[in-house]
Amino acid sequence: DGGITQSPKYLFRKEGQNVTLSCEQNLNHDAMYWYRQDPGQGLRLIYYSQIVNDFQKGDIAEGYSVSREKKESFPLTVTSAQKNPTAFYLCASSIGTGLNTEAFFGQGTRLTVV
Amino acid sequence: SQQGEEDPQALSIQEGENATMNCSYKTSINNLQWYRQNSGRGLVHLILIRSNEREKHSGRLRVTLDTSKKSSSLLITASRAADTASYFCATVRNTGGFKTIFGAGTRLFVKA
Repeated sequence: DGGITQSPKYLFRKEGQNVTLSCEQNLNHDAMYWYRQDPGQGLRLIYYSQIVNDFQKGDIAEGYSVSREKKESFPLTVTSAQKNPTAFYLCASSIGTGLNTEAFFGQGTRLTVV
Repeated sequence: SQQGEEDPQALSIQEGENATMNCSYKTSINNLQWYRQNSGRGLVHLILIRSNEREKHSGRLRVTLDTSKKSSSLLITASRAADTASYFCATVRNTGGFKTIFGAGTRLFVKA
């Protein structure tokens, strides 16, 4: 089965801790994305990566970090510098070309700071 | 800031009626897409329309694109209770890489 998998589904973090959200895809997609969604809101782009070993900041990158060491994996670390990290985090991937950039989404990770 | 802005923010209709949602954007685009999200889940791609296309159909969905007005509409015909979800438009721009930006979404509620 091809797809994109996020884990865990629910994550609780104490204030001051860093946490890492996992995102894995077996679709052979070059591009991967991380979005944040707050209740009743749209998606805001945190980071995106067009190719292995390269990534760019999105609109709200402060307090987050990513790596893209493998094509299949794009983990997101929420650092203690992120002041309001409680949100729903969505990972997506796409082929990455301009003519066919349909994004495939994971089921999301709900992060709660306790 | 968000590239796409959906209108209305929320829409409530009776089953069998048509639902129309609009999306406006600010800069030139490569293509525009519509996605659906059920509560607490990931997004599912519905339809993609390229910047040189004006209309596209897929089942009960009809999408239009007016690049001169920088706007798009999604029409769902003969709505069903199962269509209840949030609908997002997304624009794709080539900024040295293809960046997909989502709007805030329209929350559709279809009453049985």
